[in-house]
Amino acid sequence: DQQVKQNSPSLSVQEGRISILNCDYTNSMFDYFLWYKKYPAEGPTFLISISSIKDKNEDGRFTVFLNKSAKHLSLHIVPSQPGDSAVYFCAAKGGNNDMRFGAGTRLTVKP
Amino acid sequence: EAGVAQSPRYKIIEKRQSVAFWCNPISGHATLYWYQQILGQGPKLLIQFQNNGVVDDSQLPKDRFSAERLKGVDSTLKIQPAKLEDSAVYLCASSRAGGWLATDTQYFGPGTRLTVL
Repeated sequence: DQQVKQNSPSLSVQEGRISILNCDYTNSMFDYFLWYKKYPAEGPTFLISISSIKDKNEDGRFTVFLNKSAKHLSLHIVPSQPGDSAVYFCAAKGGNNDMRFGAGTRLTVKP
Repeated sequence: EAGVAQSPRYKIIEKRQSVAFWCNPISGHATLYWYQQILGQGPKLLIQFQNNGVVDDSQLPKDRFSAERLKGVDSTLKIQPAKLEDSAVYLCASSRAGGWLATDTQYFGPGTRLTVL
């Protein structure tokens, strides 16, 4: 059951430009959303999160936007840097805090 | 603070053999998770422990998979017998609180890549 979907398997952007990664979910019981970043041969690392009572959360170059009515969230990275090249996973938690992950989007930032 | 440790990092076995993975969570973390990540997919929760008790094992294939966390610290995940479709990365994660808190961040280990031939 794909309750969390990342429809873009890959994204390529130029250094200094904005990267926008998208995520859709189907379960209206999800109330907490997270983004994880994964480098090769490493485990995912937590990046940023947002509660369903908010529509935006910002942390430095990273901003997550949540549109509850559309069941859509996005991660904006501005400006993008080559070190941001990684796989980004969207994840969502519901009432039991069981975390569901999307399939990931591979971001490549070109110098 | 040391991160989540896992071993081995890689394992190749033949189908019908058994295999075990070990995880040592971050010191003081009450909750430990095992995930399975098949190539091209996101991690899928297999089992969640709070201290040495099982909180959720609804997605664990119990006919072949087992896990334990006897002293509430490190944990082992076993597959017996392995099938071809078990080829995946097995990730261990830990979190400080009881997992019931939405803001309780999970910290992941580097994973064990299992190949079943």
